[in-house]
Amino acid sequence: EAQVTQNPRYLITVTGKKLTVTCSQNMNHEYMSWYRQDPGLGLRQIYYSMNVEVTDKGDVPEGYKVSRKEKRNFPLILESPSPNQTSLYFCASSTRSNQPQHFGDGTRLSIL
Amino acid sequence: AQTVTQSQPEMSVQEAETVTLSCTYDTSESDYYLFWYKQPPSRQMILVIRQEAYKQQNATENRFSVNFQKAAKSFSLKISDSQLGDAAMYFCAYRSASLFPLNTGNQFYFGTGTSLTVIP
Repeated sequence: EAQVTQNPRYLITVTGKKLTVTCSQNMNHEYMSWYRQDPGLGLRQIYYSMNVEVTDKGDVPEGYKVSRKEKRNFPLILESPSPNQTSLYFCASSTRSNQPQHFGDGTRLSIL
Repeated sequence: AQTVTQSQPEMSVQEAETVTLSCTYDTSESDYYLFWYKQPPSRQMILVIRQEAYKQQNATENRFSVNFQKAAKSFSLKISDSQLGDAAMYFCAYRSASLFPLNTGNQFYFGTGTSLTVIP
């Protein structure tokens, strides 16, 4: 089954404790992306990747890191999480950057 | 950066009736893609419909259709014969059609969403 898999689905953690949200797709997609969704703000792009070893900032990259060492994986890293990063996060992928994206099920992240 | 505006935070419709959700966007590009995504309470993001700016014909998918007005930079979604399962948050999104866009980067831009309630 074609899918984008994010883990974990839920995470409660504390300020400053490094965490990684994993994202994996099995569709051989070139383009992958991370978003955060906040009430009243819609989805905002954090980082995206056009292909392996090619990443670029979206609108809200501060406090986040990504890497794209393999085509299928695109982890989101919070080196020193802060409460303002409490949000719902989505990973998405598509065949090319201008094609509709397939989304993961989301990760609810709470930072205390 | 491009902006996508959804001016209706909440909408409601009677079951079996028709509702239109509005979306406007700001761009200086001539070729781009527009999307409507649906997010039900399960929080999954589901593609509803896609429109290519160079196509004059409005896209349709069963009960869903768009009214694409390129000059007005407007991209509204019409849902006909509304069903209870249509209740969700709807997001409008924009993406440049160029693989090397000068102004937008290779980004997707989303609106803030419209929450649709379907009344039985």
